[in-house]
Amino acid sequence: QVELVESGGGVVQPGKSLRLSCVASGITFATSAMNWVRQAPGTGLEWVAIISYDGSNKFYADSVKGRFTITRDNSKNTVDLQMDSLGGEDTAVYYCARAPTWQQGDNYYYYYYMDVWGRGTTVTVSS
Amino acid sequence: QSALTQPASVSGSPGQSITISCTGTSRDIGDYNFVSWYQQRPGRAPKLILFDVSDRPSGISDRFSGSKSGNTASLTISGLQAEDEADYYCSSYRSGTIWVFGGGTKLTVL
Repeated sequence: QVELVESGGGVVQPGKSLRLSCVASGITFATSAMNWVRQAPGTGLEWVAIISYDGSNKFYADSVKGRFTITRDNSKNTVDLQMDSLGGEDTAVYYCARAPTWQQGDNYYYYYYMDVWGRGTTVTVSS
Repeated sequence: QSALTQPASVSGSPGQSITISCTGTSRDIGDYNFVSWYQQRPGRAPKLILFDVSDRPSGISDRFSGSKSGNTASLTISGLQAEDEADYYCSSYRSGTIWVFGGGTKLTVL
């Protein structure tokens, strides 16, 4: 069964940190690119970050660059999002999502869509 | 303000067809065929329904179709059903940014 399960959300004060985690099952995690996407209350989706299959490449949305860090552990099928210097604008449901890949030689390149999504974890930044 | 522009809402009666537009720029939709669409029902995670402008993942009904012209992509749902009522989001690759989304369109089935 294909599944992504996020955890780590909660209420945190402005300026503090929080670490989210996502564990995957039923997919070939080690060859998948992984993303975090968030959705603030009553608003649309916002892509946050992507990490390549081997963790060698990471890209971030301008809104989180320098504050958030995405990492992965292929031995545990997990991808994490370390969020520092949190502000009210970071309040959202955070989704973990897989971008499938295609292989060329020894490398895997991601397609520009997300085909598997978790149910999300809620982060509330409030004093 | 979202990077891609979608109408806030559309509606249609069962059996009818509706089209949702998604307007971007030459940095995203206009220059790349990497447009995807997602369906999100209340309280649920988004679900991929189209990728690469018009391709459907396995299991998605052929009532969903996509197209692109210039800087605008479109999602068409034919034979509208009550279960299609949801929010729909477009997304595109954008050079220098990776992914951008539209603000979402609420589809109401009358």
